[in-house]
Amino acid sequence: GAVVSQHPSWVICKSGTSVKIECRSLDFQATTMFWYRQFPKQSLMLMATSNEGSKATYEQGVEKDKFLINHASLTLSTLTVTSAHPEDSSFYICSARPGGRTEAFFGQGTRLTVV
Amino acid sequence: AQSVTQLDSHVSVSEGTPVLLRCNYSSSYSPSLFWYVQHPNKGLQLLLKYTSAATLVKGINGFEAEFKKSETSFHLTKPSAHMSDAAEYFCVVSSGNTGKLIFGQGTTLQVKP
Repeated sequence: GAVVSQHPSWVICKSGTSVKIECRSLDFQATTMFWYRQFPKQSLMLMATSNEGSKATYEQGVEKDKFLINHASLTLSTLTVTSAHPEDSSFYICSARPGGRTEAFFGQGTRLTVV
Repeated sequence: AQSVTQLDSHVSVSEGTPVLLRCNYSSSYSPSLFWYVQHPNKGLQLLLKYTSAATLVKGINGFEAEFKKSETSFHLTKPSAHMSDAAEYFCVVSSGNTGKLIFGQGTTLQVKP
C-alpha cells in the first residue's frame, strides 16, 4: 500500500516560535495533500488543501498567515505554524491520495504542544 | 451536499462478541465510502472502502461493511471483537474528484475482557 510519512511525531515549542511539520509520500507522487487538525476526542477538521507548485486552498476560518503551507515537490508538503500560541496545541495530520486511487493515506500525525 | 453521520459516539462490547458501528450518509450522487480506524495518538488506517462495486465490502482484520443505498447506510461489522480492536472509528465519504474527505464524528469502540 501507499505510505505517507509525517515528521515529527511530536513537538513542544515555546509560545511565539514557529514549528514546521513535514508530510512525505514515500512511494507515490502526490499533486495534492491535505492537512487536518484534530482536537481531543473529536473528528478531523480539514484545514487546507496543499497543491504542488501553487498556493494552498484554505478552509473557511483557517488563518493562512498562521498556518503556512508549502508543497514544493510531488512528494513533500510542509505545514508551518507561525508564532505559535497555546491554543494552537493540537494533533495535526496530513493525507495524500495516489493517482487512480479513491482512498487517502494518512501520516502518523504530529502532536504539537505550545508552552 | 454530502454528509456522514455516525449514530453512536461510543460502543462497548465484550471480547469475542459481534461489533456493529453504524453510519448513514447523504450524497447527491453515488458516493465513495470508507471506514478508517485510529489508535490513540496515531494516524488513520484504512479498514475498507466502497466504490460502487460489490455492496458487501471486506476489509482488514475481519471487518466488513455493507452499502445499502435504500437505507443510505454503510455499517461496519465484525463477527468477533478482539481487544486490539479498541480504537476510534471514522466513517468517511469522498467529495467527488477533489479528493476532499468528509468525516463522521467518530465512534469509540471499547472492548471489555
